[in-house]
Amino acid sequence: ETGVTQTPRHLVMGMTNKKSLKCEQHLGHNAMYWYKQSAKKPLELMFVYNFKEQTENNSVPSRFSPECPNSSHLFLHLHTLQPEDSALYLCASSQERGTEQFFGPGTRLTVL
Amino acid sequence: GESVGLHLPTLSVQEGDNSIINCAYSNSASDYFIWYKQESGKGPQFIIDIRSNMDKRQGQRVTVLLNKTVKHLSLQIAATQPGDSAVYFCAENEANAGGTSYGKLTFGQGTILTVHP
Repeated sequence: ETGVTQTPRHLVMGMTNKKSLKCEQHLGHNAMYWYKQSAKKPLELMFVYNFKEQTENNSVPSRFSPECPNSSHLFLHLHTLQPEDSALYLCASSQERGTEQFFGPGTRLTVL
Repeated sequence: GESVGLHLPTLSVQEGDNSIINCAYSNSASDYFIWYKQESGKGPQFIIDIRSNMDKRQGQRVTVLLNKTVKHLSLQIAATQPGDSAVYFCAENEANAGGTSYGKLTFGQGTILTVHP
């Protein structure tokens, strides 16, 4: 696989479930990002990791928990989500922070 | 606060016409700008970028113009095709007054481009 991949592509979960989103980049990049994309809103940056270290948490509720075990993989652990958390969650990577970002296809999340 | 915004949320054109999508930004210290295209069901795809030391950059059928005086960015698509139908986002790399990058992109809301055959 090339580029940035995300799994699953679609996820439906109840408010009491625990699930995880996975992102993998095959580009040799050092920075990875999680974004939330809701209808009629700009892309919202959630987390930034640079060389596996979290460098930004954009006031994201604790029910979203990121994990970056290495520069190629990024996870977003979800628990006790709310219906308003339903959105497209996009992962991106870049060679360095502030340079061109390459996006994955996203995970369409629906919280019931 | 600083923001990136778009003047027009939707744009409809006929196939073969040229399209112009506009973007206003408010952080005068931003030094790098990108245009992305997002098709339905896909993540944003890089189209073209421009650094603040340039006024114009051309790609294949696309041109980005940067006017730092009025903090305006535009994307021109020549001979628009139905496959160009998508949402287009501009993004800026925020920096402080000293020119140090914050290392993150701020995205505009997006413009929906519809190309009619």
